Amino acid sequence: DIQMTQSPSSLSTSVGDRVTITCRASQSINNYLNWYQQKPGKAPNLLIYAASSLQSGVPSRFSGSGSGTDFTLTISSLQPEDFATYYCLQSYSSPPTFGGGTKVEIK
Amino acid sequence: EVQLVESGGGLVQPGGSLRLSCAVSGFTFRSYWMSWVRQAPGKGLEWVANIKQDGSEKYYVDSVKGRFIISRDNAKNLLYLQMNSLRAEDTAVYYCARVLYWRAREFDYWGRGTLVTVSS
Repeated sequence: DIQMTQSPSSLSTSVGDRVTITCRASQSINNYLNWYQQKPGKAPNLLIYAASSLQSGVPSRFSGSGSGTDFTLTISSLQPEDFATYYCLQSYSSPPTFGGGTKVEIK
Repeated sequence: EVQLVESGGGLVQPGGSLRLSCAVSGFTFRSYWMSWVRQAPGKGLEWVANIKQDGSEKYYVDSVKGRFIISRDNAKNLLYLQMNSLRAEDTAVYYCARVLYWRAREFDYWGRGTLVTVSS
């Protein structure tokens, strides 16, 4: 199985800050990397698919980059509604596997 | 509007069984792979099972192989997860999700989830 290592596991930040979350795969997954946002008690919400494509309806302050084994989710200017937990998902091979999550908290 | 609504969760004793359902609307169900994903309380996400459009291919995470069965009824727009020999570690919120297999195989729409608690 492909292991997904996500970092940091948590971060404290402020509204307006630039936030970067990384995900590393244990082997190459080409660009089969997706990013989700999850708020407490809610289902995950797809933000980015295929490493860098913005899902319809997602604000442009979210962006993704990377290929192969190293990937990044960037929030250019954090908004109050962005405080949540973020997960990466590799869909290159079965079983699809998630990163451990990054909780973005208010400083 | 795409909607996925899970049902069937609840409290069950270890070794027991439960069948989850996911009713979908707003898209052509028979055209999509579907998945179940779970989340233990306070923990991360774990993919559980996939099923192809016509039900001819099914895949499972190792921890549920031989105990869980994914199935679907395309005439009724329903996805199922039959869970047998349940263990405490199966306690989780179970989500059904649509798979965009033709794109990046990501899960684009999710239900709100149904809680399964395995405890005596």
